[in-house]
Amino acid sequence: EIVLTQSPATLSLSPGDRATLSCRASQSVSSYLAWYQQKPGQAPRLLIYDASNRATGIPARFSGSGSGTDFTLTISSLEPEDFAVYYCQQRSNWITFGQGTRLEIK
Amino acid sequence: QVQVQESGPGLVKPSETLSLTCTVSGYSISSGYYWGWIRQPPGKGLEWIGSIYYSGVTYYNPSLKSRVTISVDTSKNQFSLKLSSVTAADTAVYYCARAFKGYYYMDVWGKGTTVTVS
Repeated sequence: EIVLTQSPATLSLSPGDRATLSCRASQSVSSYLAWYQQKPGQAPRLLIYDASNRATGIPARFSGSGSGTDFTLTISSLEPEDFAVYYCQQRSNWITFGQGTRLEIK
Repeated sequence: QVQVQESGPGLVKPSETLSLTCTVSGYSISSGYYWGWIRQPPGKGLEWIGSIYYSGVTYYNPSLKSRVTISVDTSKNQFSLKLSSVTAADTAVYYCARAFKGYYYMDVWGKGTTVTVS
């Protein structure tokens, strides 16, 4: 099983800041990685797939990068609605998710 | 637009079988895409359970495979999850979702349904 480790566990930033979230895989997943956003009481929302492709309707401030074992989700300028939990997911070997990064308002 | 919605009992006894149904609206399951189940224990992260194609092809999480059955009913535009021999560890919010690029990425999600094993 491929284990995804997300860091940091919690990230405290202010609206307008740049957010950088990390996801590291226990073995190479090529570019087969996605990012999801989940707000309290809601289902996850797909943001990025295949490491760097934005899903339909996702604002341009969200971008993904990386390949192999190291991936990054960047939010260029935080909006109030971006504070949530973010999960990475790999599809290289079955499907597994990271444990999540909580993005909170500073 | 495409919507999916979970339904089923909110309480299941230990050792019994959990059964949930996902109803798809705004799209015919027979037209394509994979359809999947994902769960989230209280306060924890996401776990993929398995996925199905309209033809009946299935993929299951190896850690749950011995207890999981996912089926599809194209006449009702629904797909279903059965999880046998449940324990308290199976208590979770269960989501159904549409997947694209094969069964890999979930782009349309239901609101989720809470299932408690007690």
